[in-house]
Amino acid sequence: NAGVTQTPKFRILKIGQSMTLQCTQDMNHNYMYWYRQDPGMGLKLIYYSVGAGITDKGEVPNGYNVSRSTTEDFPLRLELAAPSQTSVYFCASRSGLAGGMSYNEQFFGPGTRLTVL
Amino acid sequence: QQPVQSPQAVILREGEDAVINCSSSKALYSVHWYRQKHGEAPVFLMILLKGGEQKGHDKISASFNEKKQQSSLYLTASQLSYSGTYFCGTLEGTTDSWGKLQFGAGTQVVVTP
Repeated sequence: NAGVTQTPKFRILKIGQSMTLQCTQDMNHNYMYWYRQDPGMGLKLIYYSVGAGITDKGEVPNGYNVSRSTTEDFPLRLELAAPSQTSVYFCASRSGLAGGMSYNEQFFGPGTRLTVL
Repeated sequence: QQPVQSPQAVILREGEDAVINCSSSKALYSVHWYRQKHGEAPVFLMILLKGGEQKGHDKISASFNEKKQQSSLYLTASQLSYSGTYFCGTLEGTTDSWGKLQFGAGTQVVVTP
C-alpha cells in the first residue's frame, strides 16, 4: 500500500494563476481532509469529505474548491492564487469505521509546498 | 476553537523527561497527538477519549482530564528520535464531528546527545 500520495511536491505559482493539488489514497478510506500549514504553525482544515460526492468546508475554505468523485481521489483546486496561499498543503485520510479507537487515526500524505509570487 | 499548547519549545538531553500540555476552553470529545519531523508529514502517536484515560506509546504516554479540558503528553527517558514538533488535535463536543480536528500551534522538542 502506498498510503496517501500527493502531487506535485513543490510548485511555484504567479499571482492569479490556478492549479490543482492531487491527493490519492489506496486504503479505501471514507474520510479525506485537506490542511494547510503555515511556517511555525499548526494545521488548519480547508475542506473535508465523508465519502464520494460529499464535501464540506473546514476552517479556512476561501480561495479553494474540492471535489470527490471517487473514494480514492480528493483534489484541491486553487483559483486565482494569492501570496496568502503560500503554504504547505497536506492531504489526510481515515477509515471512519466504527468499532475501535484506531478508526480515528488520520494518515497524512507527504505534502505539497506551494509558493505564490 | 484552536487548543493552546505549552511550552512552545523545549530542549532536552537524552534520558531527560518532558511534559507537553494541551488545553481547550471547549468540552472535548477526544484529544489526538501527532509528531512531525522537519520537512515531513505529521505521524499519529495516540488518541485519548473522554473518560480520563491514559495511554502509552513506547516511552511516550499521555493523559486526558476531561473536567479541565486538558491533555498532557509525557516524554520519558527521551531519545534522539523524539526530536520533532508535537501537535495536539482536539475534537469538540460529544461526538466524533467527522474527525474535524482543531490543531494546536505545536511544541518543538529538541533532544541533544
